[in-house]
Amino acid sequence: DTGVSQNPRHKITKRGQNVTFRCDPISEHNRLYWYRQTLGQGPEFLTYFQNEAQLEKSRLLSDRFSAERPKGSFSTLEIQRTEQGDSAMYLCASSLTSTRLGEQYFGPGTRLTVT
Amino acid sequence: AQKVTQAQTEISVVEKEDVTLDCVYETRDTTYYLFWYKQPPSGELVFLIRRNSFDEQNEISGRYSWNFQKSTSSFNFTITASQVVDSAVYFCALGGLNFGNEKLTFGTGTRLTIIP
Repeated sequence: DTGVSQNPRHKITKRGQNVTFRCDPISEHNRLYWYRQTLGQGPEFLTYFQNEAQLEKSRLLSDRFSAERPKGSFSTLEIQRTEQGDSAMYLCASSLTSTRLGEQYFGPGTRLTVT
Repeated sequence: AQKVTQAQTEISVVEKEDVTLDCVYETRDTTYYLFWYKQPPSGELVFLIRRNSFDEQNEISGRYSWNFQKSTSSFNFTITASQVVDSAVYFCALGGLNFGNEKLTFGTGTRLTIIP
């Protein structure tokens, strides 16, 4: 499978716990994006990386959220002290800047439920 | 700030009918990209088309066609001879072209149901 993969696909956690999600982009893609999608809404941008550098963070990304892409390949998104409002689908996308600038391919998402 | 409006929340048509999904956008950028994505019940967003702001030519791909009109800031999507497999939520999105501004701003989506 050469598409974007995300793990886990589903996560149920209790309020106050920490969670970490992983995204593996398409292998040759140098840009990686995180979005959040709540029910009935379109995805909202959270942050993105070019290689290992984090280039932009949305104001939606509170201090409890942190994302890394340590070797410019896979990325992790951690949420500390989860709140019920964090329940959403977390989507990862990747793109290749040298040819298809801006064309982002999405993974299947991680659905987070905070109880 | 960038904004995408999809005024049609839900549309239902009978199979084989044509259907058009509307998208209106706002941006202060002079150069930008517009996209359509499909989100079937399985949940994964599927890329359909990207159009840059320099190119106002309409595009056709099989049963799909897109009408980009810069003068009205619209990028509408038409499905001809709809099929049940077209049932999904469709999102229009706007993206910047400048380095550091390539995030996508999505509309709220239009849920399309094709009735057999």
